[in-house]
Amino acid sequence: EDQVTQSPEALRLQEGESSSLNCSYTVSGLRGLFWYRQDPGKGPEFLFTLYSAGEEKEKERLKATLTKKESFLHITAPKPEDSATYLCAVQGGGSYIPTFGRGTSLIVHP
Amino acid sequence: GAGVSQTPSNKVTEKGKYVELRCDPISGHTALYWYRQSLGQGPEFLIYFQGTGAADDSGLPNDRFFAVRPEGSVSTLKIQRTERGDSAVYLCASSRSGNLGETQYFGPGTRLLVL
Repeated sequence: EDQVTQSPEALRLQEGESSSLNCSYTVSGLRGLFWYRQDPGKGPEFLFTLYSAGEEKEKERLKATLTKKESFLHITAPKPEDSATYLCAVQGGGSYIPTFGRGTSLIVHP
Repeated sequence: GAGVSQTPSNKVTEKGKYVELRCDPISGHTALYWYRQSLGQGPEFLIYFQGTGAADDSGLPNDRFFAVRPEGSVSTLKIQRTERGDSAVYLCASSRSGNLGETQYFGPGTRLLVL
């Protein structure tokens, strides 16, 4: 059974204070690791898909990296508008259904 | 359409009533997924459609839950005899063809409250 653990559960940063969110996973044959952003009262918004260890993707202040056991979402010089819950999900083996973590709630103070 | 749409955005009902939740996927996407999300949790899988057929309904919690996609586009999630424990956000997602590792795009969700 695929498992995803995200840490920390909650993170408070000052504007401009860079940090990283962690997604540890257990899966049999990774097919894809997905990062989403979810604002309160809204659906998850797609950020990145990573497929193999060593892969990296960037978008504005966000950078996602992947190893065989975990993924990091690095946030450089965050702004208050980066405040949201960040969800990680993995899809492995022959399953067409991703398994989601519980998310990390990020608050960036001005 | 430009993205996945869901209606209604909010639904309040009484225990025991029947509800229908609608999902309109991204145009051309053949795969459609329903999830349920409770506060502080990640989305929990309910059912996956490939075209008109349910390819995997292993996440439906019991036989009060049923979903259809008769023409391979719009889908309706139906909940009979609603219970207070059914209160949650119901999310719909679609992907282009449902291939392994393919990105899913989510709608805004329907917030269901059962009184």
